[in-house]
Amino acid sequence: AQSVTQLDSHVSVSEGTPVLLRCNYSSSYSPSLFWYVQHPNKGLQLLLKYTSAATLVKGINGFEAEFKKSETSFHLTKPSAHMSDAAEYFCVVSSESSASKIIFGSGTRLSIRP
Amino acid sequence: DGGITQSPKYLFRKEGQNVTLSCEQNLNHDAMYWYRQDPGQGLRLIYYSQIVNDFQKGDIAEGYSVSREKKESFPLTVTSAQKNPTAFYLCASTRGTSGDLGTDTQYFGPGTRLTVL
Repeated sequence: AQSVTQLDSHVSVSEGTPVLLRCNYSSSYSPSLFWYVQHPNKGLQLLLKYTSAATLVKGINGFEAEFKKSETSFHLTKPSAHMSDAAEYFCVVSSESSASKIIFGSGTRLSIRP
Repeated sequence: DGGITQSPKYLFRKEGQNVTLSCEQNLNHDAMYWYRQDPGQGLRLIYYSQIVNDFQKGDIAEGYSVSREKKESFPLTVTSAQKNPTAFYLCASTRGTSGDLGTDTQYFGPGTRLTVL
């Protein structure tokens, strides 16, 4: 069985400071892992994905995530937050070949203080 | 520009009514999906379709129905059997050609917010 846990429902940082959004997963198979971003009343957009290539994955808008198998984690980071980063972020785990095995985390709302 | 369109943006339903949410894509993707999003929760899969004239139930299919008569279109009907339909509904698509639906990037539409009056 697969599962994904986003450890914080809400994170607030000051503009220009680092961002850390935490995600832990459980999977019986070699997982594919994704981070998506959702701005209010909008659809989701892919930030980055890991599919068993390099463990450090770089995404759009300066975000990156590191796959750590020993810790079953896939935390999302950004060195310097921008006001436009305020949104909801979803960590997603899936196994190959099955749409029904795509599991979304409950989301982390990121707020940016001026 | 290629993408996914959903209509309407807002939809109000009276008790006992069926309503249909539209989803159209011009990405030439084979696979399409419907998700439901409730506050403070992740997305839950309602139905998905890997090919025209074929679709599969997801985790919460009860009270919903779909059709896939054209590659570009995957409408979702919320029936009166769905007891708590108020939610944000998202349609998505993936290339689907590799057969590895779990590794494909999903492209999402802007969503439809359904409210029961």
